[in-house]
Amino acid sequence: AQSVAQPEDQVNVAEGNPLTVKCTYSVSGNPYLFWYVQYPNRGLQFLLKYITGDNLVKGSYGFEAEFNKSQTSFHLKKPSALVSDSALYFCAVRDGGAQKLVFGQGTRLTINP
Amino acid sequence: DTGVSQNPRHKITKRGQNVTFRCDPISEHNRLYWYRQTLGQGPEFLTYFQNEAQLEKSRLLSDRFSAERPKGSFSTLEIQRTEQGDSAMYLCASSYREKLFFGSGTQLSVL
Repeated sequence: AQSVAQPEDQVNVAEGNPLTVKCTYSVSGNPYLFWYVQYPNRGLQFLLKYITGDNLVKGSYGFEAEFNKSQTSFHLKKPSALVSDSALYFCAVRDGGAQKLVFGQGTRLTINP
Repeated sequence: DTGVSQNPRHKITKRGQNVTFRCDPISEHNRLYWYRQTLGQGPEFLTYFQNEAQLEKSRLLSDRFSAERPKGSFSTLEIQRTEQGDSAMYLCASSYREKLFFGSGTQLSVL
């Protein structure tokens, strides 16, 4: 069975600084990896995905994530944080042969002005 | 593209009552998912449809829960004999090219 761990419930970063939100996963087959973001009073929105190809994937709003197979990680990054990036971020994984997407518990990202 | 629509936005019910939620996916999306989310947790998979066929159902879903997608378009999720533990946000999503598009959810409160 697949699983996702987001080890940090909360991450605080100063505006303009780089940010990282951590994610590790476990899956029996080939991993399909995703990041979703949830802004207050809004639905979950897709940020980026890794299916195959380059280990560094770029997504919406300047975010990127790096797939590391040996460490089974898929950390979310952004070079320069904005206050508007403050939100709840979810990492998710599914086995390539299935449709069930399993989400982590989420990390609350707060960017301080 | 009007997005995924869910109704109602909020539902308050008494324990033991039945409730039904509706989801209208994005029209050209043939895959539809139901998830449940409680405060401080990530979305938890409930069930998945490809067109009108229900292809996967979580083992966590008791027999009080049933979902349908009769014509491969909108879907309904029914909870019978609601319990306080059913209180949660129920999310619907449809997918295209590996991306899930979520609705705003139905917040269920069981008193």
